[in-house]
Amino acid sequence: EVLVVESGGGVIRPGGSLRLSCAASGFTFDDFDMSWVRQAPGKGLEWVSTINWNGGSTAYAESVKGRFTISRDNAKNSLYLQMSSLRAEDTAFYHCARGIAGFNPHYYYYMDVWGKGTTVTVSS
Amino acid sequence: QSVLTQPPSVSAAPGQKVTISCSGSSSNIGYHYVSWYQQLPGTAPKLLIYDNNSRPSGIPDRFSGSKSGTSATLGITGLQTGDEADYYCGTWDSSLNAVLFGGGTKLTVL
Repeated sequence: EVLVVESGGGVIRPGGSLRLSCAASGFTFDDFDMSWVRQAPGKGLEWVSTINWNGGSTAYAESVKGRFTISRDNAKNSLYLQMSSLRAEDTAFYHCARGIAGFNPHYYYYMDVWGKGTTVTVSS
Repeated sequence: QSVLTQPPSVSAAPGQKVTISCSGSSSNIGYHYVSWYQQLPGTAPKLLIYDNNSRPSGIPDRFSGSKSGTSATLGITGLQTGDEADYYCGTWDSSLNAVLFGGGTKLTVL
């Protein structure tokens, strides 16, 4: 079964740091880009970050640029999100998702496998 | 305020058809493929449509996608109460170098 499972969420004070992890199984991890998508309570989906198959290319939403770092360890079939300088507005459910990307002829990107997510609450 | 605009809510009776629109611009929908996601209450999003109009295996043909210019549309026929969910469009934006999602549309099957 193709699966991604997030962990590492919790309650953290503003200005603090937290590292999320995502464990992948059931597919060849280093064949795929991976992304983090978050959802604030009662709100819609917000893309956070994407990393390509070998970690050589990353992209971030403006709202997290300079504060969050995405990385992966293909040997461990794992994706990470290092979050620092956390703010109240970072409070959300964070989903890990497998990405499908390519050119045909224009660039396309969609997410075909999603994890259930892990909750991050930033509060004093 | 999302760059991709969706109606906040739509509703229809069981067995009927509904469409959900997603409006963007030339740097996103006008140039890149659109995907659609279904999020049932309390669950993770699920891919419904990719490449504007393709369905992953296991998605019934009651769900369809189309694109024209800078807008895309999700169609659902033969509505069932189990289709009640939030629906999101998604695409890449080459000006922002970012993945975009619409604000989401809540479907109610009356």
